[in-house]
Amino acid sequence: NAGVMQNPRHLVRRRGQEARLRCSPMKGHSHVYWYRQLPEEGLKFMVYLQKENIIDESGMPKERFSAEFPKEGPSILRIQQVVRGDSAAYFCASSHSWADGHNEQFFGPGTRLTVL
Amino acid sequence: KQEVTQIPAALSVPEGENLVLNCSFTDSAIYNLQWFRQDPGKGLTSLLLIQSSQREQTSGRLNASLDKSSGRSTLYIAASQPGDSATYLCAVPSYNNNDMRFGAGTRLTVKP
Repeated sequence: NAGVMQNPRHLVRRRGQEARLRCSPMKGHSHVYWYRQLPEEGLKFMVYLQKENIIDESGMPKERFSAEFPKEGPSILRIQQVVRGDSAAYFCASSHSWADGHNEQFFGPGTRLTVL
Repeated sequence: KQEVTQIPAALSVPEGENLVLNCSFTDSAIYNLQWFRQDPGKGLTSLLLIQSSQREQTSGRLNASLDKSSGRSTLYIAASQPGDSATYLCAVPSYNNNDMRFGAGTRLTVKP
């Protein structure tokens, strides 16, 4: 059973470009979470999605950031017009349905975004 | 609002020592608590998950305890080894269980 997969592992963008980060949850998981880790800081929640629905985006910056989790394919975190302050590690996690009462989150290896 | 604090921020010990990492959280109404390990430039590895009904979990040389009423958890590492050097993070679900709230971590260095 493959774990949470993220790609690319490293992404370099120039200011003003777009960054697209992908996350494939563990098999059987229908919940996806995105977190950001700035240098020397802990992980901060960004957004929580289920298939085709954004459940909680309270941690997302109001502008330039968006996320989706389509019916088919991976979850995408999209950052438009990147700035140097967006440089960070972006982690994706997935979990089972809440109905199972089992809400342990499993984390992917992260995508390290560097904005030049 | 759930806030998680980890003490100490950094710890350096000689190989072989037993050590304790501390985690505190402000809202005791949690479903569970997780301890993770993060190596430099790497992702998170889940070490232990303690459900709210449990008081401790053990895995090899690691033992994690949970005291919900006081909002505290400890991670005990026995007979530390240089390979244990990493940042250790604790996390609890937020009040609405939509996300995990992380501490800033304890950076552990075990010297040979």
